[in-house]
Order: sequence, then structure tokens, then C-alpha cells
Amino acid sequence: GNSVTQMEGPVTLSEEAFLTINCMYTATGYPSLFWYVQYPGEGLQLLLKATKADDKGSNKGFEATYRKETTSFHLEKGSVQVSDSAVYFCALSGLGSGNTGKLIFGQGTTLQVKP
Amino acid sequence: EPEVTQTPSHQVTQMGQEVILRCVPISNHLYFYWYRQILGQKVEFLVSFYNNEISEKSEIFDDQFSVERPDGSNFTLKIRSTKLEDSAMYFCASTRQARTFFGQGTRLTVV
Repeated sequence: GNSVTQMEGPVTLSEEAFLTINCMYTATGYPSLFWYVQYPGEGLQLLLKATKADDKGSNKGFEATYRKETTSFHLEKGSVQVSDSAVYFCALSGLGSGNTGKLIFGQGTTLQVKP
Repeated sequence: EPEVTQTPSHQVTQMGQEVILRCVPISNHLYFYWYRQILGQKVEFLVSFYNNEISEKSEIFDDQFSVERPDGSNFTLKIRSTKLEDSAMYFCASTRQARTFFGQGTRLTVV
């Protein structure tokens, strides 16, 4: 079936370190891919997205490239800040006919950035 | 930026009781959803709603669950007879032009 698998957390980094959070997907069609972020006490917010192979989504210094050949959508940031501490969710949608726009999420990865 | 609003933020209920979780989606959005997240687990799709009817539902969304859009603004999730395993964070979402906005969630605790 269709699914998303993220790297296990929590991830603890020092400020200005490089961040990678791995995301792999399984899908029968050609999904759109997303990264959502959940700050403490808040709802899910769209961080970035990519809708077709080789697209790169970017926002707030975060990037992710839709890799169809490796079925991956890894999230990266060159220099993290304490304010990036949150839970990050990889997700896909847009599968099949009658697409209702539902999202299939990974399990989430907690990022903690220390000063 | 427009927001999806959910109330209450936290609800505690006794096992077997009915609960209604409320959401106000963004006004010009067309698709509405409920998701849930059991503590420490992934966010799971429950149901999508379009044109005043359910368009898709997951296996989780059994006969104990129902959704309604009673007026032009509210979108509710009802659980008829809550179980301990219904304890979770419930997120409402709405979509327009392939962009999904989520509410802050309602934490439901069944005791």
C-alpha cells in the first residue's frame, strides 16, 4: 500500500549544524510530497512541497528534492536555529482517480536544536 | 494568513459518552478533513468531506464516528460512544487549490 517512512528521532543538533531528516515513500502512482512542521502547542503547518519528480521545494532555508528513482524526499537545512525545534512530518497525497486530497503521513521526527 | 479553528483545545470525557469536536474551516475552502494522532504515533487520516457528503473514509472511521456540516461554517466530528483507545489529538483541516491548512487540534482524553 501507500506509505511514508521517516527516520527515527529525536534528532538533537547544535545551533548552526547541518540537518538531514530522511523520508522514503511507497506509492503506486505519482504523488505530491510535503513536509509539515508542528511547533510546540500548535497545529501542522506546511513547510514545503514538490509535485513532480526532480522538483525542489524550499522555504525558510529548508529544502527537499523529489527523487523518483530512490522514492525519497529528504529534508535538509544548512544551518539550524533554536527556533527550528519542532516535529517534522513527511507526507504524500494525490494518489489515484477520485483523489480527495487526503494526506498520508510519516511518523514524525522530533528535532531539538541546542544553543 | 487564514486559519482553521478548532474547539475545544482539550476535552476529557468518560468512556461510553458521546463527544462532538468542532471545527471552523477556512471560509472559501471546498474539502474538509479529520485526522487523528495517538500519542507517539503518526498522524492518521479519518475522513474527507466534499459537497456536503463523505468523499473518503479510512478503516478507523467506523460506525461510532460521524461528521456533519450543520451550517455554512462549522464542521463537526462526533464519536457516539467513546473508548479508551479514542484518546488522541484530533486535527481538522481544509483544502483549496491543493493546499491544506490544519487547525491546532483538540486533545481528547477518554477516562
